[in-house]
Amino acid sequence: DVKVTQSSRYLVKRTGEKVFLECVQDMDHENMFWYRQDPGLGLRLIYFSYDVKMKEKGDIPEGYSVSREKKERFSLILESASTNQTSMYLCASSRGQGLTDTQYFGPGTRLTVL
Amino acid sequence: EDQVTQSPEALRLQEGESSSLNCSYTVSGLRGLFWYRQDPGKGPEFLFTLYSAGEEKEKERLKATLTKKESFLHITAPKPEDSATYLCAVQAENAGNMLTFGGGTRLMVKP
Repeated sequence: DVKVTQSSRYLVKRTGEKVFLECVQDMDHENMFWYRQDPGLGLRLIYFSYDVKMKEKGDIPEGYSVSREKKERFSLILESASTNQTSMYLCASSRGQGLTDTQYFGPGTRLTVL
Repeated sequence: EDQVTQSPEALRLQEGESSSLNCSYTVSGLRGLFWYRQDPGKGPEFLFTLYSAGEEKEKERLKATLTKKESFLHITAPKPEDSATYLCAVQAENAGNMLTFGGGTRLMVKP
């Protein structure tokens, strides 16, 4: 079974703090993704990575950065957290081989910025 | 632009009352259509991948079907534990590994 884990289920931070969200997958997947999910807006892609040290912007990258130093780990960084970044953050990974590529999700991190 | 629309937004069923959820999509070329189940406060759990029109897949009380314009998730004799939000997503030929998600259908099954 594919397992994607996220460092925290719940996180509360203050405006202006630097926030790190960590994601680890154990299936040697090439691709990793960060989404945020908000009521009425669905899942929106922030960034994804198709290889170590490689990254591409998704639909809403502003205010975020990412780091992928090892294949199994993908970090999302909020340089200076703001209240509008309060959301559910979901990490996913996929094999990245072949034409059709199933994404597997972690349990999510509910981030509240006060 | 790729689009995915799910209907209804919410569906209430009595236990044992079968029904279907709809996922309509517009893509330039379809590589795959995915169904996920999401429980409140948790990440989406993968259910099915469908690749081409006419394909069907089943898992317990769920059956997913695919046409050139839409997919249905049929739920036969649902139980309260089937209550969840069901998400549909498509992978388009020109989108690499990225998915476009629908807004989801929130299913509530009453005992």
